[in-house]
Amino acid sequence: AQSVTQLGSHVSVSEGALVLLRCNYSSSVPPYLFWYVQYPNQGLQLLLKYTTGATLVKGINGFEAEFKKSETSFHLTKPSAHMSDAAEYFCAVSDHEEYGNKLVFGAGTILRVKS
Amino acid sequence: GAVVSQHPSWVICKSGTSVKIECRSLDFQATTMFWYRQFPKQSLMLMATSNEGSKATYEQGVEKDKFLINHASLTLSTLTVTSAHPEDSSFYICSAGTSGHGREIVETQYFGPGTRLLVL
Repeated sequence: AQSVTQLGSHVSVSEGALVLLRCNYSSSVPPYLFWYVQYPNQGLQLLLKYTTGATLVKGINGFEAEFKKSETSFHLTKPSAHMSDAAEYFCAVSDHEEYGNKLVFGAGTILRVKS
Repeated sequence: GAVVSQHPSWVICKSGTSVKIECRSLDFQATTMFWYRQFPKQSLMLMATSNEGSKATYEQGVEKDKFLINHASLTLSTLTVTSAHPEDSSFYICSAGTSGHGREIVETQYFGPGTRLLVL
């Protein structure tokens, strides 16, 4: 069954601290993997994506994620949190077989940044 | 960057009425548009995929007669919730694909800000 699991519906970090948002997926074939961010009353914005090639992907706003096939993970990180990073983050997966070229989303993780 | 708008941003209606939600790609042509539904504290669930000029493809469990989708132009898709009931209350989000086919469409989706529907 297709699924995306985001561990932790809420994550709280101090400003300047490391951000780590976890995502695990299931897919029977090489997946495409995405991280989106959603600010209040705004649409989802693509942070980064993995399709093929280098497994460490850099995105906007200093975020990066690493595709680890052996762990079926695609965790999102940022070395130093900023207040403006407070938002909800969604991990999503797609492949051309199991998911039929559609995005399947995780439940989301709300990131809170404390001053 | 590519911008997708939705109208209205929120709507309250009485049970039994129909509600139309518009999704527009403002600065690009969208051959494919997707409609999602998001329940509180849950992920986005794909409802249907619409291609300009053809019938929408609905996901399993989504009633096509309940959720009417029209994609009459390359910049506009509409979702009509017919005979709405309180259980239809939700956050509806559209996205638009800018180019290509298959996986390329997935890669280039741009999302609208969503429409919050409350059915009383």
